[in-house]
Amino acid sequence: DIKMTQSPSSMYASLGERVTITCKASQDIKSYLSWYQQKPWKSPKTLIYYATSLADGVPSRFSGSGSGQDYSLTISSLESDDTATYYCLQHGESPLTFGAGTKLELK
Amino acid sequence: DVQLVESGGGLVQPGGSRKLSCAASGFTFSSFGMHWVRQAPEKGLEWVAYISSGSSTIYYADTVKGRFTISRDNPKNTLFLQMTSLRSEDTAMYYCARETTVVPFAYWGQGTLVTVSA
Repeated sequence: DIKMTQSPSSMYASLGERVTITCKASQDIKSYLSWYQQKPWKSPKTLIYYATSLADGVPSRFSGSGSGQDYSLTISSLESDDTATYYCLQHGESPLTFGAGTKLELK
Repeated sequence: DVQLVESGGGLVQPGGSRKLSCAASGFTFSSFGMHWVRQAPEKGLEWVAYISSGSSTIYYADTVKGRFTISRDNPKNTLFLQMTSLRSEDTAMYYCARETTVVPFAYWGQGTLVTVSA
């Protein structure tokens, strides 16, 4: 199974700050990587697919990058609405595997 | 609009069974693969199972293989998850999710909670 190592597990950031979350796959996943945002008591929401493509309706302050084993999600300027838990997911092969999540809170 | 509505959750005794349903609307259900994803209380997301549009391809997580069965009824626009031999560690919110060609979980339901406890 492909293991996804996501970091950090939690973080505090200030409004307007640039935030980066990383995921490292245990093998090359060929950009079959997506990012999800989950707010408390809500279903997850797709932010980024195929490593770099922005999902419909997602603000442009979110971006994804990476290839091979290493990927990142960046929020260019943090807004209060961005406080949530973020998950990466590899879907290059079964079983699909998530990172452990990053809880992002306001400082 | 795409809508996915799960149902069937509840309290189940260890060793028991439960069948979850996911009613789909707002799209051509028979054209898309579907997933079940779960989330234990205060824990992360875990993929559970996948079924292709015509049911020809099915995958399971190792944690549920042999105990859970994913199926679908395309004329009734409904996805199912039959769960047997339930354990306390199966306690979770269960979400159904629809794929697109590039996004495995493009649309999510609101979830249904399964609690396995004596």
